Amino acid sequence: NAGVTQTPKFQVLKTGQSMTLQCAQDMNHNSMYWYRQDPGMGLRLIYYSASEGTTDKGEVPNGYNVSRLNKREFSLRLESAAPSQTSVYFCASEISTGGSPLHFGNGTRLTVT
Amino acid sequence: QKEVEQNSGPLSVPEGAIASLNCTYSDRGSQSFFWYRQYSGKSPELIMFIYSNGDKEDGRFTAQLNKASQYVSLLIRDSQPSDSATYLCAVNGGGSNYKLTFGKGTLLTVNP
Repeated sequence: NAGVTQTPKFQVLKTGQSMTLQCAQDMNHNSMYWYRQDPGMGLRLIYYSASEGTTDKGEVPNGYNVSRLNKREFSLRLESAAPSQTSVYFCASEISTGGSPLHFGNGTRLTVT
Repeated sequence: QKEVEQNSGPLSVPEGAIASLNCTYSDRGSQSFFWYRQYSGKSPELIMFIYSNGDKEDGRFTAQLNKASQYVSLLIRDSQPSDSATYLCAVNGGGSNYKLTFGKGTLLTVNP
Protein backbone atom coordinates (compact mmCIF):
# COMPACT_ATOMS: atom_id res chain seq x y z
CA ASN A 1 0.00 0.00 0.00
CA ALA A 2 1.89 3.05 -1.29
CA GLY A 3 -0.15 5.79 0.46
CA VAL A 4 0.72 9.19 -1.05
CA THR A 5 3.23 9.18 -3.89
CA GLN A 6 4.93 12.32 -5.16
CA THR A 7 7.12 12.74 -8.21
CA PRO A 8 9.77 13.88 -8.80
CA LYS A 9 11.80 13.73 -5.57
CA PHE A 10 14.27 16.37 -6.70
CA GLN A 11 14.16 19.02 -9.41
CA VAL A 12 16.34 21.93 -10.46
CA LEU A 13 14.79 24.61 -12.66
CA LYS A 14 16.03 27.81 -14.19
CA THR A 15 14.05 30.99 -13.59
CA GLY A 16 11.12 31.15 -15.99
CA GLN A 17 10.88 27.42 -16.65
CA SER A 18 7.68 25.55 -15.92
CA MET A 19 7.03 22.19 -14.35
CA THR A 20 4.31 20.06 -12.81
CA LEU A 21 4.60 18.21 -9.51
CA GLN A 22 2.57 15.03 -9.47
CA CYS A 23 0.76 13.52 -6.50
CA ALA A 24 -1.34 10.39 -6.27
CA GLN A 25 -2.97 8.62 -3.34
CA ASP A 26 -4.36 5.12 -3.19
CA MET A 27 -6.32 5.43 0.07
CA ASN A 28 -9.60 6.56 -1.51
CA HIS A 29 -9.29 9.88 0.29
CA ASN A 30 -11.54 12.75 -0.73
CA SER A 31 -9.36 15.71 0.19
CA MET A 32 -5.88 16.56 -1.04
CA TYR A 33 -3.46 19.36 -0.24
CA TRP A 34 -0.25 20.97 -1.44
CA TYR A 35 2.10 22.53 1.14
CA ARG A 36 5.48 24.15 0.88
CA GLN A 37 8.01 24.06 3.70
CA ASP A 38 10.73 26.65 4.08
CA PRO A 39 13.27 27.00 6.91
CA GLY A 40 11.77 28.99 9.76
CA MET A 41 8.38 29.24 8.04
CA GLY A 42 6.81 25.92 8.79
CA LEU A 43 4.31 24.26 6.47
CA ARG A 44 2.21 26.67 4.44
CA LEU A 45 -0.83 25.65 2.42
CA ILE A 46 -0.65 26.47 -1.28
CA TYR A 47 -3.85 24.93 -2.67
CA TYR A 48 -6.27 22.27 -1.61
CA SER A 49 -9.06 20.16 -3.05
CA ALA A 50 -11.84 19.25 -0.68
CA SER A 51 -13.25 16.74 -3.14
CA GLU A 52 -12.93 15.64 -6.74
CA GLY A 53 -13.78 18.53 -9.04
CA THR A 54 -13.09 21.33 -6.55
CA THR A 55 -9.96 23.33 -5.80
CA ASP A 56 -9.35 26.34 -3.58
CA LYS A 57 -6.53 28.69 -2.73
CA GLY A 58 -4.62 28.34 0.47
CA GLU A 59 -2.31 30.75 2.25
CA VAL A 60 0.33 31.17 -0.49
CA PRO A 61 -1.21 30.43 -3.95
CA ASN A 62 0.54 33.06 -6.06
CA GLY A 63 2.65 31.58 -8.85
CA TYR A 64 0.96 28.18 -8.69
CA ASN A 65 -1.93 26.37 -10.31
CA VAL A 66 -3.47 23.01 -9.49
CA SER A 67 -5.54 20.33 -11.15
CA ARG A 68 -7.56 17.65 -9.42
CA LEU A 69 -7.41 15.18 -12.27
CA ASN A 70 -9.53 12.55 -10.55
CA LYS A 71 -10.06 11.32 -7.02
CA ARG A 72 -6.54 9.89 -6.84
CA GLU A 73 -4.44 12.61 -8.44
CA PHE A 74 -3.73 16.23 -7.56
CA SER A 75 -1.02 18.08 -9.48
CA LEU A 76 0.73 21.37 -8.78
CA ARG A 77 2.03 23.48 -11.66
CA LEU A 78 4.60 26.25 -11.65
CA GLU A 79 4.07 28.21 -14.86
CA SER A 80 7.14 30.46 -14.60
CA ALA A 81 9.42 29.40 -11.79
CA ALA A 82 11.07 32.02 -9.59
CA PRO A 83 13.90 31.65 -7.05
CA SER A 84 11.35 32.42 -4.30
CA GLN A 85 9.71 29.10 -5.15
CA THR A 86 12.77 27.17 -4.05
CA SER A 87 11.33 24.98 -1.33
CA VAL A 88 10.30 21.49 -0.29
CA TYR A 89 6.80 20.67 -1.50
CA PHE A 90 4.57 18.16 0.25
CA CYS A 91 1.36 16.66 -1.00
CA ALA A 92 -1.05 15.33 1.60
CA SER A 93 -4.40 13.62 1.63
CA GLU A 94 -7.22 13.31 4.15
CA ILE A 95 -10.14 10.93 4.17
CA SER A 96 -12.52 13.90 4.24
CA THR A 97 -12.32 17.52 5.26
CA GLY A 98 -13.11 18.35 8.81
CA GLY A 99 -10.40 17.29 11.19
CA SER A 100 -9.01 13.97 10.08
CA PRO A 101 -5.27 13.36 10.13
CA LEU A 102 -3.27 14.20 7.03
CA HIS A 103 -1.13 11.61 5.28
CA PHE A 104 1.93 13.11 3.63
CA GLY A 105 3.95 12.13 0.59
CA ASN A 106 7.74 12.02 0.74
CA GLY A 107 8.17 15.50 -0.68
CA THR A 108 9.76 17.17 -3.70
CA ARG A 109 12.85 19.27 -3.18
CA LEU A 110 12.77 22.04 -5.79
CA THR A 111 15.58 24.46 -6.49
CA VAL A 112 15.09 27.41 -8.84
CA THR A 113 18.29 29.12 -9.99
CA GLN B 1 -5.95 34.28 10.09
CA LYS B 2 -5.46 31.41 12.48
CA GLU B 3 -2.16 31.33 14.32
CA VAL B 4 -0.39 28.42 15.91
CA GLU B 5 2.62 29.17 18.07
CA GLN B 6 5.25 26.74 19.28
CA ASN B 7 8.43 27.17 21.28
CA SER B 8 11.06 27.38 18.57
CA GLY B 9 13.61 25.48 20.60
CA PRO B 10 15.84 23.75 20.24
CA LEU B 11 14.85 21.68 23.23
CA SER B 12 17.52 19.41 24.58
CA VAL B 13 16.81 16.64 27.11
CA PRO B 14 18.85 13.70 28.40
CA GLU B 15 17.89 10.17 27.49
CA GLY B 16 15.21 8.84 29.81
CA ALA B 17 13.85 12.27 30.70
CA ILE B 18 10.42 13.72 29.95
CA ALA B 19 10.28 16.08 26.99
CA SER B 20 7.50 18.67 27.06
CA LEU B 21 6.44 20.40 23.87
CA ASN B 22 3.95 23.24 23.92
CA CYS B 23 1.59 24.86 21.44
CA THR B 24 -0.90 27.71 21.64
CA TYR B 25 -3.52 28.62 19.05
CA SER B 26 -5.56 31.71 18.32
CA ASP B 27 -8.84 30.34 16.87
CA ARG B 28 -11.15 29.68 19.79
CA GLY B 29 -13.38 27.62 17.50
CA SER B 30 -10.65 25.07 16.76
CA GLN B 31 -11.86 21.50 16.98
CA SER B 32 -9.02 19.15 16.11
CA PHE B 33 -5.43 19.09 17.26
CA PHE B 34 -2.54 17.07 15.90
CA TRP B 35 1.10 16.42 16.65
CA TYR B 36 3.40 15.40 13.82
CA ARG B 37 7.02 14.31 14.01
CA GLN B 38 9.40 15.20 11.22
CA TYR B 39 12.88 13.77 10.95
CA SER B 40 15.42 15.84 9.04
CA GLY B 41 14.87 15.48 5.30
CA LYS B 42 11.70 13.43 5.76
CA SER B 43 7.97 14.11 5.61
CA PRO B 44 5.79 14.74 8.66
CA GLU B 45 4.26 11.69 10.28
CA LEU B 46 1.30 11.69 12.63
CA ILE B 47 2.02 10.89 16.28
CA MET B 48 -1.11 11.89 18.13
CA PHE B 49 -4.44 13.61 17.65
CA ILE B 50 -6.81 14.91 20.29
CA TYR B 51 -10.28 16.38 20.03
CA SER B 52 -11.47 16.71 23.63
CA ASN B 53 -10.19 18.51 26.69
CA GLY B 54 -7.93 16.47 28.91
CA ASP B 55 -5.19 13.93 28.36
CA LYS B 56 -4.78 11.26 25.72
CA GLU B 57 -2.06 8.66 26.13
CA ASP B 58 -0.47 6.41 23.52
CA GLY B 59 2.56 4.51 24.72
CA ARG B 60 5.26 6.98 25.74
CA PHE B 61 3.31 9.91 24.28
CA THR B 62 0.64 11.97 26.02
CA ALA B 63 -1.26 14.81 24.38
CA GLN B 64 -2.91 17.36 26.64
CA LEU B 65 -5.59 19.79 25.52
CA ASN B 66 -7.01 22.80 27.34
CA LYS B 67 -9.47 24.62 25.10
CA ALA B 68 -10.19 27.33 27.67
CA SER B 69 -6.51 28.30 27.66
CA GLN B 70 -6.14 27.50 23.92
CA TYR B 71 -3.19 25.30 24.71
CA VAL B 72 -2.13 21.85 23.57
CA SER B 73 0.98 20.01 24.64
CA LEU B 74 2.85 16.80 23.92
CA LEU B 75 4.75 14.92 26.61
CA ILE B 76 7.29 12.26 25.67
CA ARG B 77 8.20 10.00 28.56
CA ASP B 78 11.46 8.04 28.73
CA SER B 79 12.84 10.04 25.83
CA GLN B 80 15.09 8.14 23.42
CA PRO B 81 17.71 9.41 20.97
CA SER B 82 15.38 8.19 18.22
CA ASP B 83 12.86 10.81 19.38
CA SER B 84 15.23 13.53 18.17
CA ALA B 85 13.22 15.34 15.49
CA THR B 86 11.14 18.42 14.83
CA TYR B 87 7.64 18.26 16.30
CA LEU B 88 4.87 20.09 14.50
CA CYS B 89 1.64 21.17 16.14
CA ALA B 90 -1.35 21.47 13.79
CA VAL B 91 -4.78 22.87 14.51
CA ASN B 92 -7.96 23.24 12.53
CA GLY B 93 -11.19 25.04 13.15
CA GLY B 94 -14.76 24.02 12.81
CA GLY B 95 -17.24 24.56 9.99
CA SER B 96 -15.76 26.16 6.88
CA ASN B 97 -12.48 26.84 8.68
CA TYR B 98 -11.41 23.21 8.59
CA LYS B 99 -8.00 23.51 7.02
CA LEU B 100 -5.01 22.68 9.18
CA THR B 101 -2.69 25.44 10.30
CA PHE B 102 0.76 24.28 11.34
CA GLY B 103 3.11 25.77 13.87
CA LYS B 104 6.72 26.30 12.85
CA GLY B 105 7.86 23.32 14.88
CA THR B 106 10.08 22.63 17.86
CA LEU B 107 13.40 20.84 17.36
CA LEU B 108 13.95 18.23 20.05
CA THR B 109 17.33 16.68 20.71
CA VAL B 110 17.62 13.71 23.09
CA ASN B 111 21.18 13.26 24.29
CA PRO B 112 22.45 9.74 25.10
